[in-house]
Amino acid sequence: EVQLVESGGGLVQPGRSLRLSCAASGFTFDDYAMHWVRQAPGKGLEWVSGISWNSGSIGYADSVKGRFTISRDNAKNSLYLQMNSLRAEDTALYYCAKTLRSWYSPFDYWGQGTLVTVSS
Amino acid sequence: DIQMTQSPSSLSASVGDRVTITCRASQGISNYLAWYQQKPGKVPKLLIYAASTLQSGVPSRFSGSGSGTDFTLTISSLQPEDVATYYCQKYNSAWTFGQGTKVEIK
Repeated sequence: EVQLVESGGGLVQPGRSLRLSCAASGFTFDDYAMHWVRQAPGKGLEWVSGISWNSGSIGYADSVKGRFTISRDNAKNSLYLQMNSLRAEDTALYYCAKTLRSWYSPFDYWGQGTLVTVSS
Repeated sequence: DIQMTQSPSSLSASVGDRVTITCRASQGISNYLAWYQQKPGKVPKLLIYAASTLQSGVPSRFSGSGSGTDFTLTISSLQPEDVATYYCQKYNSAWTFGQGTKVEIK
């Protein structure tokens, strides 16, 4: 059974940093690209960042480019999101998601999410 | 950047009704289009990918069509368990979601 478990969320002041983690199990992690998607309270889904199986391809939404860094450790079956210079508008539930197939693929499994609240 | 626009933003229909949701891309995306269902308080679920391919385990009352810029998600006979917000997503060159369509039972 595919499982994605996010952690690392919490309350943080504007301008500070936070690192999210996603522990994957139940599939061959290094066969798939992985992504982060966020959802602000009461709002829709927003793609944040994605990374290919070998970290050779990486993408970011314009809203986080230059502030967030995605990475993965295939030996640990883990995905990460380093979030710097956090803003109030980054407040959201952050989901880790697995791609269905190749780099340009939809997402077939999602974690339960970890909540990030940016507030003073 | 390619924008994805869904319509309507919300709808209310009776059990058994045929429901159609539209998603329009600001530029052509071939068939790189997926649909997700998100029930209240739950994680998004992939329903359809490649515009019309039903994901494993998804009921056959769900179907998708379209190519290029115009796409539709159809629920052939609305059921109470279909109450949810539905999102389209393009996944060519980047990943962008539509703003969502909330479906309720009348």
